[in-house]
Amino acid sequence: GAGVSQSPSNKVTEKGKDVELRCDPISGHTALYWYRQRLGQGLEFLIYFQGNSAPDKSGLPSDRFSAERTGESVSTLTIQRTQQEDSAVYLCASSLVQVGYTFGSGTRLTVV
Amino acid sequence: GQSLEQPSEVTAVEGAIVQINCTYQTSGFYGLSWYQQHDGGAPTFLSYNALDGLEETGRFSSFLSRSDSYGYLLLQELQMKDSASYFCAVSSGSARQLTFGSGTQLTVLP
Repeated sequence: GAGVSQSPSNKVTEKGKDVELRCDPISGHTALYWYRQRLGQGLEFLIYFQGNSAPDKSGLPSDRFSAERTGESVSTLTIQRTQQEDSAVYLCASSLVQVGYTFGSGTRLTVV
Repeated sequence: GQSLEQPSEVTAVEGAIVQINCTYQTSGFYGLSWYQQHDGGAPTFLSYNALDGLEETGRFSSFLSRSDSYGYLLLQELQMKDSASYFCAVSSGSARQLTFGSGTQLTVLP
């Protein structure tokens, strides 16, 4: 596609439920990143995929968070047993080179 | 680890020039990027500096001094549509993923 597509755009979930967020990167972009942005804050790195290499999971805040990517295509970020502090906008970005990420519009997650 | 500092808020009038500073501490530095984010929108890439000096792209310029661990974004001929948050970000580490600052909210007044 022309840009990075994320779904859903908004998600409201009850505390304790699992959620799955999806990211469709730009076709041909080998690198894919997930970031979290709390209200009024900067972007917090979560996880990075590069081609078929092992992902860099160093930013995942707890073992409730996991992510997968199939080849160089779609990625899903899963949050298990959601907590209220997980409420944030989850942003996905892709890039062909390591300069100039293209971000999606994000998924706004609200845990009630 | 990495840390970046930038002012939380800047206000300027239409037509003016504004400079947003960014200082950073990091290991394995590769470059400094700037992103713009309008309320509710996706961050969009503005510029990247890997070497010392000034990079100019239209009304926006970005500067880097590696020896001072310092950079800035210069916005000229400010327009109302420039009201947004501006983030500096460093590329570092083996994967060169970006670490972002907390952002500077720029308000352009008429």
